[in-house]
Amino acid sequence: EPEVTQTPSHQVTQMGQEVILRCVPISNHLYFYWYRQILGQKVEFLVSFYNNEISEKSEIFDDQFSVERPDGSNFTLKIRSTKLEDSAMYFCASSEAWGGSGNTIYFGEGSWLTVV
Amino acid sequence: AQSVTQLDSHVSVSEGTPVLLRCNYSSSYSPSLFWYVQHPNKGLQLLLKYTSAATLVKGINGFEAEFKKSETSFHLTKPSAHMSDAAEYFCVVSDRGSARQLTFGSGTQLTVLP
Repeated sequence: EPEVTQTPSHQVTQMGQEVILRCVPISNHLYFYWYRQILGQKVEFLVSFYNNEISEKSEIFDDQFSVERPDGSNFTLKIRSTKLEDSAMYFCASSEAWGGSGNTIYFGEGSWLTVV
Repeated sequence: AQSVTQLDSHVSVSEGTPVLLRCNYSSSYSPSLFWYVQHPNKGLQLLLKYTSAATLVKGINGFEAEFKKSETSFHLTKPSAHMSDAAEYFCVVSDRGSARQLTFGSGTQLTVLP
């Protein structure tokens, strides 16, 4: 079964450093998403992406965050200057059609980011 | 605005007994509802979804859920628990009024006792 793959599975970084989390969505999917889960809290929406631009973003997704689809297969999340509160599990997801209409969104296994 | 409330943070059942994980939702529009499962060190896997067709939805691994509009509920059930069902379960709503994102419940940790 096709799956969303994420790298790295776990990254430790120093506060203030830049981090790039990478994702390979399912190959025929056109809609891409990032979610995050801080330890002990709910999974939260960060951003959705379609046709090489951000479709929607949450209030969490401030100027420190950016997303990019640098080639035909990868989808990345960059955190420019990490803060302690960015420590979380980051989930990449993709869907064939718009997720808000009940179409299935498929999630990767997550990248656990620890900021020290 | 949409929201999801999972009524139990932890549920513990014995192997072979029924499972009930409760979920209530709030949505301004006709919602789509999902249950995802997360096993330790694994990603979020879709168990089942409701998208305005049949109100009783069957999913993988013997799970099913019933959409009850009058009660704004979407409880997840399984007749007989298996040890491999031990995981965290998330009830999720997608609201056509805010068509771009999923809203997650806080999760229910299911423990299956031998």
